[in-house]
Amino acid sequence: QKEVEQDPGPLSVPEGAIVSLNCTYSNSAFQYFMWYRQYSRKGPELLMYTYSSGNKEDGRFTAQVDKSSKYISLFIRDSQPSDSATYLCAMSPNTGNQFYFGTGTSLTVIP
Amino acid sequence: EAQVTQNPRYLITVTGKKLTVTCSQNMNHEYMSWYRQDPGLGLRQIYYSMNVEVTDKGDVPEGYKVSRKEKRNFPLILESPSPNQTSLYFCASSTGPRYEQYFGPGTRLTVT
Repeated sequence: QKEVEQDPGPLSVPEGAIVSLNCTYSNSAFQYFMWYRQYSRKGPELLMYTYSSGNKEDGRFTAQVDKSSKYISLFIRDSQPSDSATYLCAMSPNTGNQFYFGTGTSLTVIP
Repeated sequence: EAQVTQNPRYLITVTGKKLTVTCSQNMNHEYMSWYRQDPGLGLRQIYYSMNVEVTDKGDVPEGYKVSRKEKRNFPLILESPSPNQTSLYFCASSTGPRYEQYFGPGTRLTVT
């Protein structure tokens, strides 16, 4: 079983839609949760960072962590064509020095 | 400008011909990492380094070597490349393994 599971999509939505992206994980030691956005032919860039459980909001983006279910989500409100990218979840345990990524979900927002 | 640079950006080589991909960062970060990105498999960590002269294996270290002689540089060495190492490689740096990682632009490697 992979440490982090993410539905690869692709996901295609109309402009203005609410997008929900999700990851599940198996290691209960994960405490640091991140979402990265990767445009075509570019390196990933950090979008959201959350420690432990709870919600975090930044503009149109909301990250949620449910540690009891080992499930994290990213919501994008009022999606824009510029949101078209691959979204990768990432996580790290409280101890140890490795970093784990999901496989990424490809999102296309249609004008 | 804070950045991570990688060279070369594109490389086509033949099986068995040793190659090095360089990585450099100008943010004084302690933590540096190499990843490979493959369709359906996502980003997988190859090696990481907590600081100068401190390196450790990630999930897929076989066939790769690294060194960290200076804080800013973290080269990835393929001593005898094979076709299954054809991939997109990213270098990243960070203040630590639990913080934002800054990625380079990627190196697309093809081994024939």
